[in-house]
Amino acid sequence: QLQLQESGPGLVKPSETLSLTCTVSGGSINTNNNNWAWIRQPPGKGLEWIGCAYSSGSTYYNPSLKSRVTISVDTSKNQFSLKLISVTAADTAVYFCARGDLRSGHLDYWGQGTLVTVSS
Amino acid sequence: QSALTQPASVSGSPGQSITISCTGTSSDVGGYDHVCWYQQHPGKAPKLLIYDVTKRPSGISNRFSGSKSGNTASLTISGLQGEDEADYYCSSYTSSNTWVFGGGTKLNVL
Repeated sequence: QLQLQESGPGLVKPSETLSLTCTVSGGSINTNNNNWAWIRQPPGKGLEWIGCAYSSGSTYYNPSLKSRVTISVDTSKNQFSLKLISVTAADTAVYFCARGDLRSGHLDYWGQGTLVTVSS
Repeated sequence: QSALTQPASVSGSPGQSITISCTGTSSDVGGYDHVCWYQQHPGKAPKLLIYDVTKRPSGISNRFSGSKSGNTASLTISGLQGEDEADYYCSSYTSSNTWVFGGGTKLNVL
């Protein structure tokens, strides 16, 4: 059974960089059948797709975040990561990592989510 | 990209059926058959219910069904149960090779 687990700091200061890692277990991240995605959810609000990456290195990002976000895949560690620069309080959210289907993009496996608070 | 439009809340009684709509544009919902629906209980990760408009993953009850007409997709839940009380989100592939979620719908089972 595939499992995903987010890890990283729970508190980030304004203007600094948010960095999270998603560790994949129970399966290989180096697959041609999937992409690896990040989604976030501000407290009490809806889901927002941040972006996704393929093991080949290709990436796609939400246009509203594209200038600040980087998603990368590390096949040697079976992990993928999210970096979001110049954060503000508006970036406070629960961040989820998930596996996407290559063909249709649906997200079939999710991590439990991790709350990141942006505050000084 | 703008979020897809969903009703903020819907209600139904046990045993009844309800439908949640998800309206987009020809650049997302109307242009592709890659519409998904997710169920999220409080404090939990979303769970995939429907993909490719009508398909159910293994293990998902056939009480959940999806459809699409034009720029609007719909999720129907039949035989409502108390455990169905949750937030529901639609999602669609877009012409920009990205994905967009709906604003979410809270289902109240009365």
